[in-house]
Amino acid sequence: GDSVTQTEGLVTLTEGLPVMLNCTYQTIYSNPFLFWYVQHLNESPRLLLKSFTDNKRTEHQGFHATLHKSSSSFHLQKSSAQLSDSALYYCALSGTNKVVFGTGTRLQVLP
Amino acid sequence: GGIITQTPKFLIGQEGQKLTLKCQQNFNHDTMYWYRQDSGKGLRLIYYSITENDLQKGDLSEGYDASREKKSSFSLTVTSAQKNEMAVFLCASSSRIDTQYFGPGTRLLVL
Repeated sequence: GDSVTQTEGLVTLTEGLPVMLNCTYQTIYSNPFLFWYVQHLNESPRLLLKSFTDNKRTEHQGFHATLHKSSSSFHLQKSSAQLSDSALYYCALSGTNKVVFGTGTRLQVLP
Repeated sequence: GGIITQTPKFLIGQEGQKLTLKCQQNFNHDTMYWYRQDSGKGLRLIYYSITENDLQKGDLSEGYDASREKKSSFSLTVTSAQKNEMAVFLCASSSRIDTQYFGPGTRLLVL
């Protein structure tokens, strides 16, 4: 079945440094949707960005990601972390008729 | 735009009790989901439904029942609450496999 792997459970970095959260996936579907959701403390998850186009950079709120079907990856990046970026980030995949979420990566940005 | 409403916001139950959580959406989405989130942890899919009267089991369906009586509503029943259980139950909806929109959650505590 479909699966999403987020290798880091916790990423801690200092404000101003670049962010990269890893996401790889497996699916037999040739045109999957890939998503990044963000969940701040005491809030519900909400969409950060999404893509289904191979090799096209998608950007939103300073974050960006590029779907690479050749490597089955959809890593989330930001050039300079802010304290307000501290949150739980989920990568998710829509392959066939349901969405599969990764286990999530907690990003902790320190002053 | 639309909104997802979950009732109740807080639910305190007794061990062995049957507890029902309700979710309503006005997005006119066809697909609805129930997730469980334990403190500080990721999302676990309990049930989802791709249309009225449809039910699909997720990874965590044991101990739960669900009901999709109409397109706009999706209920979840905890069949026998476990002592000291504490979790947030999140409802979400989407148009097929596109972006999921999450409700505010129901916080469950079992005494």
